[in-house]
Amino acid sequence: GAVVSQHPSRVICKSGTSVKIECRSLDFQATTMFWYRQFPKQSLMLMATSNEGSKATYEQGVEKDKFLINHASLTLSTLTVTSAHPEDSSFYICSARMGGRRDTQYFGPGTRLTVL
Amino acid sequence: EDQVTQSPEALRLQEGESSSLNCSYTVSGLRGLFWYRQDPGKGPEFLFTLYSAGEEKEKERLKATLTKKESFLHITAPKPEDSATYLCAVQDAGFQKLVFGTGTRLLVSP
Repeated sequence: GAVVSQHPSRVICKSGTSVKIECRSLDFQATTMFWYRQFPKQSLMLMATSNEGSKATYEQGVEKDKFLINHASLTLSTLTVTSAHPEDSSFYICSARMGGRRDTQYFGPGTRLTVL
Repeated sequence: EDQVTQSPEALRLQEGESSSLNCSYTVSGLRGLFWYRQDPGKGPEFLFTLYSAGEEKEKERLKATLTKKESFLHITAPKPEDSATYLCAVQDAGFQKLVFGTGTRLLVSP
């Protein structure tokens, strides 16, 4: 099956620092990756759509300067939370889209971010 | 605007007690309807994709069905390890992104 990894799985940082989260598709090439945020007992909230080699498309209300997304290759996308604050603490999940006949998004295991 | 509504919000079953989860949707041109399973603190795990009304798919104790307005996830003789949140999502024919429902939290007691 399609495998998507995320690193790190957990990160704790001080307020004001920046945190980078990596998302990799391990056994397929993904032209499109997605970044989600999930609050406790709530569903996934799409933050942005990332296409390889082009600028990410952000959902309404998501600050592009706050959440920097880079999709440099067909297997790697990164999300950088800049100048993190406690309200940025959340569970961040990426997904990678396997296109073609089996057009499906496969999700990573998630990254728990805690900003002190 | 695409919308997905899942019911019930939470469901408690005894081991072996079969039931169904519902996903109602409105979308302008369905490209696909997806079911995922999510365990606490983990990312969603892909279960099924359904593409057209009348389609059915099965995996172990799970069976997903699709009509023009809703999808059902039938769980036959569930076991405690089936306890999880089940998420439904639709993909509009014109877009890449998925629109998720709020999920059904299933708890299966031994």
